[in-house]
Amino acid sequence: AQTVTQSQPEMSVQEAETVTLSCTYDTSESDYYLFWYKQPPSRQMILVIRQEAYKQQNATENRFSVNFQKAAKSFSLKISDSQLGDAAMYFCAYRSATSGTYKYIFGTGTRLKVLA
Amino acid sequence: KAGVTQTPRYLIKTRGQQVTLSCSPISGHRSVSWYQQTPGQGLQFLFEYFSETQRNKGNFPGRFSGRQFSNSRSEMNVSTLELGDSALYLCASSRGSYNEQFFGPGTRLTVL
Repeated sequence: AQTVTQSQPEMSVQEAETVTLSCTYDTSESDYYLFWYKQPPSRQMILVIRQEAYKQQNATENRFSVNFQKAAKSFSLKISDSQLGDAAMYFCAYRSATSGTYKYIFGTGTRLKVLA
Repeated sequence: KAGVTQTPRYLIKTRGQQVTLSCSPISGHRSVSWYQQTPGQGLQFLFEYFSETQRNKGNFPGRFSGRQFSNSRSEMNVSTLELGDSALYLCASSRGSYNEQFFGPGTRLTVL
């Protein structure tokens, strides 16, 4: 069974600085998707970035980028130029690309605090 | 375009009761997934429906059930509530099972 581990329950970053959130996963599959979701306090969860396992190039979305290490089964999220609005719970998620397997597996989350 | 809506937003029940939660997906989305979110366990997958058929189910007891209607709206039912069922229940919809999921605001269930 696949698992997703976020070993940092909480992280803090100074405004305008860079922070990296860690995520590791375990799977025997070769084709899958990885995601980072953001859940602001009392607000809806939104997708931050996604990565297809077959793509070697790391995904980027403006100030958000990932470091995808397939062999190490590592998928970290880097937030550059952190802003107060980045404060939220961040969840790493895995989804198989195998037909018939549709569920997402989420990590336990990392709470990010942004200090002014 | 309206987002995913969930009703009710807050619910208080007592042990032994049952509860039904509702989720209206984004127009055109046929896949609806349900998750239970608790502080200690994170998000746990409950089940996913696509075109009125349950496609996958998580590791939850049979007290948790769901269904999807022809208009893609989905309901989740929990019978014989236990204290441990207190959680935020999230619904997410997507155009298909392999498309990006869009989450609703959740239903906060408190079991006393």
